[in-house]
Amino acid sequence: EVQLVESGGGLVQPGGSLRLSCAASGFIVSTNYMSWVRQAPGKGLECVSVLYSGGTTYYADSVKDRFTISRDNSKNTLYLQMNSLRVEDTAVYYCARDLLIRGVTSATFDSWGQGTLVTVSS
Amino acid sequence: QSALTQPASVSGSPGQSITISCTGTSSDVGGYNYVSWYQQHPGKAPQLMIYDVTNRPSGVSNRFSGSKSGNTASLTISGLQAEDEADYYCSSYTSSSTLGVFGTGTKVTVL
Repeated sequence: EVQLVESGGGLVQPGGSLRLSCAASGFIVSTNYMSWVRQAPGKGLECVSVLYSGGTTYYADSVKDRFTISRDNSKNTLYLQMNSLRVEDTAVYYCARDLLIRGVTSATFDSWGQGTLVTVSS
Repeated sequence: QSALTQPASVSGSPGQSITISCTGTSSDVGGYNYVSWYQQHPGKAPQLMIYDVTNRPSGVSNRFSGSKSGNTASLTISGLQAEDEADYYCSSYTSSSTLGVFGTGTKVTVL
């Protein structure tokens, strides 16, 4: 059974850092396209970052140069390092797996974690 | 990349059919058959209901169907049930970004 379990969220002051983890089971993270998607309180979904199986990474403009997506193949885990956090980064962060590997991400996610809440506030 | 446009809310009575629209541009919805639909209940993660415009993942009820015309994709829920009350989001590949784009979301209410 495919499962994704996020952890690492919490309350942090503006300018602070957090590292989110997404432990996967039932499939191999490194052979899939893996993404982080966030949802601000009462708002819609937003793709934040993607890590392709080949290692290529992309970021939303709003987080570029502040967030870093990575994976640990030995732990079958996806990460999101978040630095210089802003109030507007407050959201539930989900990790998600692309359903198909076809050269580009199309936000077609067949598996999602339960989400982890990041609150940026002073 | 701007979000795809969805109506804020749609409602229907049990047993009825409703349709949710998702409007984009030729750079996303209109240009590619990579439109997906998600259902999200309060406090829960989204669930994939439709992908590649018309395909249903295993386990999704055949009451859910998708279509596309021009720059607008649609999700139809037939035989509306109380459990269908949720938020629904469309998403699409976009040539304007390196990431996918989601719709603004639609709240479905079962009267």
